[in-house]
Order: sequence, then structure tokens, then C-alpha cells
Amino acid sequence: GESVGLHLPTLSVQEGDNSIINCAYSNSASDYFIWYKQESGKGPQFIIDIRSNMDKRQGQRVTVLLNKTVKHLSLQIAATQPGDSAVYFCAEKKGQAGTALIFGKGTTLSVSS
Amino acid sequence: SQTIHQWPATLVQPVGSPLSLECTVEGTSNPNLYWYRQAAGRGLQLLFYSVGIGQISSEVPQNLSASRPQDRQFILSSKKLLLSDSGFYLCAWNRPSYEQYFGPGTRLTVT
Repeated sequence: GESVGLHLPTLSVQEGDNSIINCAYSNSASDYFIWYKQESGKGPQFIIDIRSNMDKRQGQRVTVLLNKTVKHLSLQIAATQPGDSAVYFCAEKKGQAGTALIFGKGTTLSVSS
Repeated sequence: SQTIHQWPATLVQPVGSPLSLECTVEGTSNPNLYWYRQAAGRGLQLLFYSVGIGQISSEVPQNLSASRPQDRQFILSSKKLLLSDSGFYLCAWNRPSYEQYFGPGTRLTVT
């Protein structure tokens, strides 16, 4: 069935390092992917999205890469800061009506200074 | 700009009691609306979504229900809460084919 998962539940990095958070998806028909950041006790916050007609998309300090051949998605955070510490979720679009998303379980990023 | 509100922020309810969580969106019209539940340390589980007034799609069979009485209002309800209903409930909205924006969430503890 359809599922979105992340390779590692936790990732610890030093301040200033680059972070890479990975996600694998199983539905080759998915055409839209989003990364969210969730801080403790808060709702998820949109970071960046990418559509299946793209391989790469860049934002401020973040880059999302999409490899449709192996159904892999990654989020790269440059110069990671303590404020980046949070749980990161990838999500894929399911279906047409309502654009309901399927979320992975999340990766907890811990940044130490 | 658009904003999304949820209330209450926290709620403690006994088993068997009813539930009503409310979500409202401002600054947009005819949004898609969603209810998710997040168990502690887990990902988000889609419960319901709505593409219009009175239109509700259920993703997971359970003792919860949702209603959309107005264009920008989404309500999550239960007649009798179970212990397993405890969790963090998130409402979200989007324009079709665009990213979803989440509300601040409601922390529900069923005792």
C-alpha cells in the first residue's frame, strides 16, 4: 500500500554543520511532496515543497531533492542552527480531491552548539 | 493574510464524555479543511477532510465524526470518548493542490 517513511528517527548534528534528512515513498503515482517542521507542542510548519516534474528545489538554507527513480526524497539544511531543532516530516499527496496528504513518522533533529 | 484557529488549546475529559473541537480559518474562502491526530512521538494520521460545506470524507473508521457547518468552520466531535482518543489534534487548510497550513493544535487527554 501507500506509505511514506523516513530512514532515521533521530539525527544529531553540531551547529554549523549541514543536515540531511531522508524520506522514502512507495507510491510512484505521488506527484507532490512537502517537508514540514514541528516544534514541541506546536502544529507543523511548512518548509518547502516539490512537484514530481522537478528534481530539486531551493529555499532559504533548505534544499529538497527528489529522486523518482528510487522514490527518495531528502531535505538538506545548510549551516544548521539550534533553532532548527525539531521533528521533520515528509508528506506525499494522495489522490486528487482535497489533496489529502500522507505523512511519514518524522525525524527528530537535535542541534548542539 | 490567512490564519487558522483551534480551540480549546488543551482539554482533559473523562472516558465516555462527549467531545467538540473547533477549527476556523480566516482570510480565505472555500478552503479544503482537514483533521489530523498525532499520538505522542508519532506521525500525523489523517482523520477527516472536507472540500466544501457539508462534504466530509472519513479516512479512518472510529468513534469520531466531523462536520462543516460553515465554509470556514470545521468541527471534530465524539459522543463517547475512549482512552485511545488521547492525542494532539491538528486542523489544517489549503487551496487545492497547494501546501497545507496547520493550526496550533488541541492537546486532548482522556482520563
